[in-house]
Amino acid sequence: GENVEQHPSTLSVQEGDSAVIKCTYSDSASNYFPWYKQELGKRPQLIIDIRSNVGEKKDQRIAVTLNKTAKHFSLHITETQPEDSAVYFCAASRSGGGADGLTFGKGTHLIIQP
Amino acid sequence: NAGVTQTPKFQVLKTGQSMTLQCAQDMNHNSMYWYRQDPGMGLRLIYYSASEGTTDKGEVPNGYNVSRLNKREFSLRLESAAPSQTSVYFCASSGHRGYEQYFGPGTRLTVT
Repeated sequence: GENVEQHPSTLSVQEGDSAVIKCTYSDSASNYFPWYKQELGKRPQLIIDIRSNVGEKKDQRIAVTLNKTAKHFSLHITETQPEDSAVYFCAASRSGGGADGLTFGKGTHLIIQP
Repeated sequence: NAGVTQTPKFQVLKTGQSMTLQCAQDMNHNSMYWYRQDPGMGLRLIYYSASEGTTDKGEVPNGYNVSRLNKREFSLRLESAAPSQTSVYFCASSGHRGYEQYFGPGTRLTVT
């Protein structure tokens, strides 16, 4: 089955700086890669996703890049703000999640230092 | 539009007891999922239902059963709870071809 590795497990950055979280996946058939943000005690919330026919996608301060050859994808957050502090999860799926659900990484605790 | 709802929010069980976690969605989504979240482990798929009338095992199905009651509702049953099933359980649903899964608020289950 699919295996998703996520690094780092904890990331501390100064407010206003950029943050980058990286994930690798094992199944070359995976074609959908979402990112979720989870605040303490809350549900995971989808913040951005990318499909395998696209190399990069951006939404305001958040961007995701995908390298299918190397089987890795990354989340980039620019101009970080205190409300960006949370745990971020990457995930992968072979068919948008409908056929076999999502395989998640173990999460990155992002800490924004004031 | 409530999205994905789950009941109960919290539950404490004794080893060997049974219970059913309920999940409902009002987004007319075809696919529904159950995940468990343990500290440092991310979320792991227990069971999923790609469409009404079908269910399939995920990564960690042992000790659980599911029922897709109708398009809106997908329940998770623990027949004989064990301490290893202490976890936070999330239900999710998705529409077109499974893209964009939306999660419910979770059920925090403790088995003593």
